[in-house]
This record gives sequence, structure tokens and C-alpha cells, in this order.
Amino acid sequence: RKEVEQDPGPFNVPEGATVAFNCTYSNSASQSFFWYRQDCRKEPKLLMSVYSSGNEDGRFTAQLNRASQYISLLIRDSKLSDSATYLCVVLQREAGTALIFGKGTTLSVSS
Amino acid sequence: NAGVTQTPKFQVLKTGQSMTLQCAQDMNHNSMYWYRQDPGMGLRLIYYSASEGTTDKGEVPNGYNVSRLNKREFSLRLESAAPSQTSVYFCASNPLTSGGAVDNEQFFGPGTRLTVL
Repeated sequence: RKEVEQDPGPFNVPEGATVAFNCTYSNSASQSFFWYRQDCRKEPKLLMSVYSSGNEDGRFTAQLNRASQYISLLIRDSKLSDSATYLCVVLQREAGTALIFGKGTTLSVSS
Repeated sequence: NAGVTQTPKFQVLKTGQSMTLQCAQDMNHNSMYWYRQDPGMGLRLIYYSASEGTTDKGEVPNGYNVSRLNKREFSLRLESAAPSQTSVYFCASNPLTSGGAVDNEQFFGPGTRLTVL
């Protein structure tokens, strides 16, 4: 079983839509959580960290449920520029502090 | 600050050839990583170096070797390339110290697109 699982999509939404991505992780010892964004044929870049209390950055809201081992990302008022692949990422100490990546969820926002 | 740089950007090899992928970072980061990314597979860790002078295997180390030449540089070598090693290779770094930190942004290089024929 993959340690970090995401719905691969693609999610096709119109501009202005609200879209939510979900992610589950299997290792309860996971310590830190992130969403990365990857544009086509580019390197991944950090979008936001995910905190237990939930956190918001503009149109983006991330939530963490440790009991359910579940992470979410909500994007409000989608823009064309939000089109990308969103990677759910988990930090585990026993993995040598390396990040464990989900396969990513692809979002396509159209006008 | 150039961040994380990788060379070459593209490479085509024949089966059995060898090559070294170069990676350097100018952010004074302790930890460096090599990943490969294949369609439908996501990013998978090949090797990492938690600090200068140390290297450890990741999820998919077979067929690769690494060298942490100094704090800045971390190279990945394919001794005898195989078609299964056709992939996009990303190098990354973060400032994690031996004491650890909860939040670590990992900085990625632009990638090397490798094709093995």
C-alpha cells in the first residue's frame, strides 16, 4: 500500500470554482505535512505547510486530521494559473527526514 | 542565490553507458536528496545525504551510486544505464540539521531528463 495516497484526478473546473483535494497517509508516526505544487515539466515547489489547527493562505486552506490520517487542500475562486499538479507530502523521521510524496492530483481550470 | 542547480538538463544514453548527474546548492543546506519521477509513480527517493560525509539509500537505490563531495555538491552516478532508468531526476536540499526541525521546505533543482535507449 502506498504510504501517501491521493485521487489522481484530473479535476476539471471552471474559473471561480471551489475545489477540494484529499490525501491519506498510512504511517501514524508521520510528523509534518505539506502541499507542493508542480507545474508541467517543472520542479515541485512548496505551496504550504499543513498544521494541526488548519491554516489558510489567501484562497488556499489546508486541514489536517491526525486521528483519521487525512489531509485536505481547498482552493477557492479558482484561477487559470492554479492549473497544476498538487502533491501531498509527508515528512517521516525514519525515512531519514526525507519527504514521502503522493502521486499528485491534477487540476485544470478553464475559462 | 542560484538555489539548486542540476546538470545536464537533458541526456540520452545507450544501454550500458555510464554517466554522472551533478547537483549543487548555494544555500548552505545540510541535507541533499536525489529523486526520480516517472509517470503515474510520483517522486521516489533514490539516495539522500543528511549531512556532509554521509549518504543513505532511499526507496529505489538499485543501479545508482552517490557522492556527497562537499556540503554544496551531491552527485548521482549510473554505472551501467538501463532503459528502466529513463526518468526525470530531481535533486533537492533542505536546511535540516541533526537536531531536526518540524517544518522543512525542500528546494528542488530544475531536473534532468534522462532517456536510456
